[in-house]
Amino acid sequence: AQSVAQPEDQVNVAEGNPLTVKCTYSVSGNPYLFWYVQYPNRGLQFLLKYITGDNLVKGSYGFEAEFNKSQTSFHLKKPSALVSDSALYFCAVSPENMFSGGYNKLIFGAGTRLAVHP
Amino acid sequence: SQTIHQWPATLVQPVGSPLSLECTVEGTSNPNLYWYRQAAGRGLQLLFYSVGIGQISSEVPQNLSASRPQDRQFILSSKKLLLSDSGFYLCAWSQTGEGANVLTFGAGSRLTVL
Repeated sequence: AQSVAQPEDQVNVAEGNPLTVKCTYSVSGNPYLFWYVQYPNRGLQFLLKYITGDNLVKGSYGFEAEFNKSQTSFHLKKPSALVSDSALYFCAVSPENMFSGGYNKLIFGAGTRLAVHP
Repeated sequence: SQTIHQWPATLVQPVGSPLSLECTVEGTSNPNLYWYRQAAGRGLQLLFYSVGIGQISSEVPQNLSASRPQDRQFILSSKKLLLSDSGFYLCAWSQTGEGANVLTFGAGSRLTVL
């Protein structure tokens, strides 16, 4: 079955330290990979995506993610965390070969809450 | 630029009452439209998606329905709400066609059924 796993419910990091939010996936074929962020009582905002090419993708607010095909992972990273980065982060995958009914099926992970402490 | 509006932002309704949540998109044409539900501040569940006027696909059987009366309008409805319908409802749009289409979400509607 196609799935996305975010193994950590919560990640705690001190401000100024690097952060990593983990994501692994299980899909057939080549995946499109996404990260979204959700601030309290708001909709999700797009951070970055991987389609093909360079395995390191840079996105909004200084975030980046590294695609690792052999480990089927797409971990989100930031070199220096800010308190304002505290939010709920979602990894999502769209299998390349799952375009049907007019749209590409998108599978979301359960989310990881990032808490950055001053 | 494209914008997405969703309302009402907050709604408290009694069990058995009807529901109507509205979503409109500006600045684009023929978008794909989606309704998601987020329970307990966590995972997202796709409820409905639409690739055109009058075309609605349901992902899960439930007490809700959706309609798309105009190209950029998407409505989530219920005739009789259940307690289990409480949650945070998110409307989203994306470009049509195959590919890594990014979803743009509305600000959400928080529904509490009492």
